[in-house]
Amino acid sequence: DAGVIQSPRHEVTEMGQEVTLRCKPISGHNSLFWYRQTMMRGLELLIYFNNNVPIDDSGMPEDRFSAKMPNASFSTLKIQPSEPRDSAVYFCASSKDREAYNEQFFGPGTRLTVL
Amino acid sequence: AQSVTQPDIHITVSEGASLELRCNYSYGATPYLFWYVQSPGQGLQLLLKYFSGDTLVQGIKGFEAEFKRSQSSFNLRKPSVHWSDAAEYFCAVGPSNAGNNRKLIWGLGTSLAVNP
Repeated sequence: DAGVIQSPRHEVTEMGQEVTLRCKPISGHNSLFWYRQTMMRGLELLIYFNNNVPIDDSGMPEDRFSAKMPNASFSTLKIQPSEPRDSAVYFCASSKDREAYNEQFFGPGTRLTVL
Repeated sequence: AQSVTQPDIHITVSEGASLELRCNYSYGATPYLFWYVQSPGQGLQLLLKYFSGDTLVQGIKGFEAEFKRSQSSFNLRKPSVHWSDAAEYFCAVGPSNAGNNRKLIWGLGTSLAVNP
């Protein structure tokens, strides 16, 4: 089976532009997580969905960030407008949750550079 | 406050040597504990997890970890390190009474280098 799929793998854009990151979770998984990883702050959870519903978006830095999950097989993370401090690696992860935690499966990440 | 501390930012060991990576946590409730590994340019992969029962848990790639409640620690060990173990290692904590809450608290990671 395919793992978590993220696109694009690399994105270079200029400040002020809109950036859209995409994620396809593993089929059958019902939780989806968006993370940001930087050297300074490590791995930060931005938002997570359960059964396509946003459960906790307290990690979303500001209104420039938005995330959607229109169906069980697709999610987007949008930054508009982008700023240089948004440069990071963004990971999507999914898990199949029942009564307790199950393993989060991570995608390969999208490396975003905002000039 | 809930937090995970990995005291060692970077560790270098020789191939074949033993390894211990430290993880300390501060958590108000009984935690679930995890170790993940990130190889260069890759996403994170679960090494092992502790939910309950035996406090010594075995994971993939020959790793093990021991939960010590009295010390609020969950240290990762491997008796003999291989060059392919060079990677970034992350400890994470989540609530055992998760309900709808799947949020993990992550450490900042320990970077492991292996000398031939």
